[in-house]
Amino acid sequence: NAGVTQTPKFQVLKTGQSMTLQCAQDMNHEYMSWYRQDPGMGLRLIHYSVGAGITDQGEVPNGYNVSRSTTEDFPLRLLSAAPSQTSVYFCASSLTGGGPYNEQFFGPGTRLTVL
Amino acid sequence: DAKTTQPPSMDCAEGRAANLPCNHSTISGNEYVYWYRQIHSQGPQYIIHGLKNNETNEMASLIITEDRKSSTLILPHATLRDTAVYYCIVSLDNYGQNFVFGPGTRLSVLP
Repeated sequence: NAGVTQTPKFQVLKTGQSMTLQCAQDMNHEYMSWYRQDPGMGLRLIHYSVGAGITDQGEVPNGYNVSRSTTEDFPLRLLSAAPSQTSVYFCASSLTGGGPYNEQFFGPGTRLTVL
Repeated sequence: DAKTTQPPSMDCAEGRAANLPCNHSTISGNEYVYWYRQIHSQGPQYIIHGLKNNETNEMASLIITEDRKSSTLILPHATLRDTAVYYCIVSLDNYGQNFVFGPGTRLSVLP
């Protein structure tokens, strides 16, 4: 298994540009999430999904869109990039949402700079 | 308000046990205690979780007090590779808005 993969690893955008951060998992996990991490801070939840066709907002959803058309993929779209969106973005997945089998697997991250 | 409180930083000598505390005085009866760590700028890594009983796996041990208001993560023989930020999270589920990463504890393992 490749686990959770994210592309690209690095990206530089200009203010106002749009782009999609890709996230894929090959573990047949139902639950997937997007987080952002600013320097020296903990992770903050952007959006999450509990299965194909179902998404919900997290703590900091403004400026981002998501969709979940398949179990494997959970892309994050930046609609009009702003310097405040400069951050490291992590995607995560888990088999179940709770109970005794609780591990979230994280991808390696995408480092985004908005000029 | 934060659900957990952790010291911002700790040091530990290589080969010694690292004991990382976490206070969660408002934990509810069906919420789990999760521990993750983040090495440098990598994605967080799951370590262990528990509900009421103490737990042990190949990475660490989790000791939860009887009243469940605090817990301790124990790395029995810390190595330099254990230098990381350690996050204690209290949540019913392992996803969603209640699964909140605070600032964590920065553990430095010293040679």
